[in-house]
Amino acid sequence: NAGVTQTPKFRVLKTGQSMTLLCAQDMNHEYMYWYRQDPGMGLRLIHYSVGEGTTAKGEVPDGYNVSRLKKQNFLLGLESAAPSQTSVYFCASSPGQGRTGELFFGEGSRLTVL
Amino acid sequence: AQRVTQPEKLLSVFKGAPVELKCNYSYSGSPELFWYVQYSRQRLQLLLRHISRESIKGFTADLNKGETSFHLKKPFAQEEDSAMYYCASRGGGNKLTFGTGTQLKVEL
Repeated sequence: NAGVTQTPKFRVLKTGQSMTLLCAQDMNHEYMYWYRQDPGMGLRLIHYSVGEGTTAKGEVPDGYNVSRLKKQNFLLGLESAAPSQTSVYFCASSPGQGRTGELFFGEGSRLTVL
Repeated sequence: AQRVTQPEKLLSVFKGAPVELKCNYSYSGSPELFWYVQYSRQRLQLLLRHISRESIKGFTADLNKGETSFHLKKPFAQEEDSAMYYCASRGGGNKLTFGTGTQLKVEL
């Protein structure tokens, strides 16, 4: 099993450009999450999903959109990138059902917005 | 809103010395508390959860509801313990709130 896979691992964007980060998990997990990691800020939740076709806002959702059309995939979109969105993005999945706090993380995607 | 506080950005100890990474949470109910660890060039991974009351790699953490704390402890630090440690809390919903993390450096 690959676990949680994120693509791409690195990306450089210009201000105003758009992009999509893809997260795929092969563990049949119900819950999926997108976090961003910034120095001194820890991990902050952007959006999450508790099942196929569902999404919900996290702590810092502005400027991002997500979709969960298939259970195994969770996409994070930036419609118009801003320098403040320069960060490392982590996707995670969780079995839910009593194990909601047990997150399995991807390797991270480093995004730089110029 | 839930809040998880890790007061130390960096903790430096010598090999063989005791380690205590501090974590305080703010939640009026009964939260679930976790410690996650990120070793260099590895993924963030779950280290332990309070309801398991287990010791992983020599680390333990006890939930103290009176002090709203969940400090991570190890009696004798090893070089391989050097990593970034995150405390996290789940307060009844489907979200996990993380602290800002503590970088542990074990010196020889």
